[in-house]
Amino acid sequence: RKEVEQDPGPFNVPEGATVAFNCTYSNSASQSFFWYRQDCRKEPKLLMSVYSSGNEDGRFTAQLNRASQYISLLIRDSKLSDSATYLCVVNFNKFYFGSGTKLNVKP
Amino acid sequence: DADVTQTPRNRITKTGKRIMLECSQTKGHDRMYWYRQDPGLGLRLIYYSFDVKDINKGEISDGYSVSRQAQAKFSLSLESAIPNQTALYFCATSPGGPGNEKLFFGSGTQLSVL
Repeated sequence: RKEVEQDPGPFNVPEGATVAFNCTYSNSASQSFFWYRQDCRKEPKLLMSVYSSGNEDGRFTAQLNRASQYISLLIRDSKLSDSATYLCVVNFNKFYFGSGTKLNVKP
Repeated sequence: DADVTQTPRNRITKTGKRIMLECSQTKGHDRMYWYRQDPGLGLRLIYYSFDVKDINKGEISDGYSVSRQAQAKFSLSLESAIPNQTALYFCATSPGGPGNEKLFFGSGTQLSVL
């Protein structure tokens, strides 16, 4: 079983749509959680950390459910520039990466 | 200037050749990592180092070696390259410690082994 699992997508949505991604992790002792964004063939960049209380950064909202061991990312009012692959990352001594969820925002 | 610099950006080599990928950082972070990325598999950890005298194997270290020459430099070597080592390689750094686990990546090295 993979440490971190994500739906690979792609999610094809029109501009302005709301889209949500989920990610599950296997180690209940995991300590830190993140969403990274990766553009094609580029390096991953930190989008946001994820906290149990939930956190928001503009159009992006992240949630952590420790009991069910899943993390979510909600993107509101999608922009063309949001098209990318979103990586779920979990830290337990080392970083464990999901394989990513691809988002295509269409005009 | 990039905080985490990888060289070269692209490399094509032949089976059996020795290859070195280099990574340097100006962020002052103690922790450094080497990952490889293959389509559909996400990033997988090859080696990591928490300080100059510390080297640890990751999940896919076979066929690779590393050297931490200084706090700022962490190089990855393929002693005898093989085609299934064709991948996109990323170096990353982290300040480490509670609340400081974020990763910062270099721009990557695309390696092709023919």
